[in-house]
Amino acid sequence: DVKVTQSSRYLVKRTGEKVFLECVQDMDHENMFWYRQDPGLGLRLIYFSYDVKMKEKGDIPEGYSVSREKKERFSLILESASTNQTSMYLCASSGQGEETEAFFGQGTRLTVV
Amino acid sequence: AQKITQTQPGMFVQEKEAVTLDCTYDTSDPSYGLFWYKQPSSGEMIFLIYQGSYDQQNATEGRYSLNFQKARKSANLVISASQLGDSAMYFCAMRRGTGANNLFFGTGTRLTVIP
Repeated sequence: DVKVTQSSRYLVKRTGEKVFLECVQDMDHENMFWYRQDPGLGLRLIYFSYDVKMKEKGDIPEGYSVSREKKERFSLILESASTNQTSMYLCASSGQGEETEAFFGQGTRLTVV
Repeated sequence: AQKITQTQPGMFVQEKEAVTLDCTYDTSDPSYGLFWYKQPSSGEMIFLIYQGSYDQQNATEGRYSLNFQKARKSANLVISASQLGDSAMYFCAMRRGTGANNLFFGTGTRLTVIP
């Protein structure tokens, strides 16, 4: 069974903390993505990566960075967490090919207090 | 710039009835793909159906079908014979560009199936 696994389901952090959200996929996919989901706004792309050590900004990269040192792992970093980064974070991966769907992790609900 | 519009924040349907969830899109790319995902209350995103811009026929997957009208730039999801387990958020998404295949999502429609 294919899997995208996010390290935490729920996370509570303090304002100003450095936060790491980890994502691992076991499908040997080239592409990995980080989205945030907020009510009424749908899913918005933060960053994506199409190869190891490669990264591209999505629609809302401000306040975030990413790391992809290995093909299977894609980390999202909040350098200094703020309350407006309280949200659901979803990691996804996909292979090549136009018809290829993205597979999602279970999500991490992050609360910054 | 690409845009996905889902104008129905919430929909209700009687069990065993069919329901249509609307999705319109805007893109200047000649080649694109459209996806529908389901998100139950547990939070996971479940892929339902895909339609390519050059596909001549509407996509179907079991009880799901996609009513693709290219000239009108619409890609509505039709769920036939609704079941209680269909109650969920539904997102329309468009693959943008080539290469990384990243998806651009609409704001979603919450479907509630009434017994």
